[in-house]
Amino acid sequence: NAGVTQTPKFRVLKTGQSMTLLCAQDMNHEYMYWYRQDPGMGLRLIHYSVGEGTTAKGEVPDGYNVSRLKKQNFLLGLESAAPSQTSVYFCASQQARYNEQFFGPGTRLTVL
Amino acid sequence: AQSVTQPDIHITVSEGASLELRCNYSYGATPYLFWYVQSPGQGLQLLLKYFSGDTLVQGIKGFEAEFKRSQSSFNLRKPSVHWSDAAEYFCAVGARFGGADGLTFGKGTHLIIQP
Repeated sequence: NAGVTQTPKFRVLKTGQSMTLLCAQDMNHEYMYWYRQDPGMGLRLIHYSVGEGTTAKGEVPDGYNVSRLKKQNFLLGLESAAPSQTSVYFCASQQARYNEQFFGPGTRLTVL
Repeated sequence: AQSVTQPDIHITVSEGASLELRCNYSYGATPYLFWYVQSPGQGLQLLLKYFSGDTLVQGIKGFEAEFKRSQSSFNLRKPSVHWSDAAEYFCAVGARFGGADGLTFGKGTHLIIQP
């Protein structure tokens, strides 16, 4: 049981480049989330999904898109990366409402 | 809007001493609350959670937290810290975003353990 995994672990982009971060969970959880973590800011919710084929915006969605084509995967896309998107990105999954969230190990992204 | 305040950015405690990390929340309804721990370069691990019932909750690694509705607080405690407890600690409140439950996190408290 791998839990929540994220690929890649590290990435460096140039301004304007695009990329996709992959989150996978093997716990059959319905809900999945993408957060970003910045120094002194805690974690902030970017987008989330309550089931396959559904996505919604969180607190800081601008500049990101997401897709949930399969229940176990949740993709986060940056179409045109900006230095302000330099951050550590965490994916989390949750079985149902009022349950705990399980976090992946994170992806450290630097945009030059 | 909901919010979480962790007043202490850094806390230094001697090994073997007791610990209390403060957390205050603002939420319009009955909250559900979490404490997570993050070791350097790692993801977040759940220490404990409060949904309802007994206001004193026990977690892993010898941690406990007490929900005080009158003070809007959910402070984390440990009677005797170990060097391995050095980490970043986050308090979070369950929030509603369009029908699902995301979490609103505090900015974290960095715990340093002195030998």
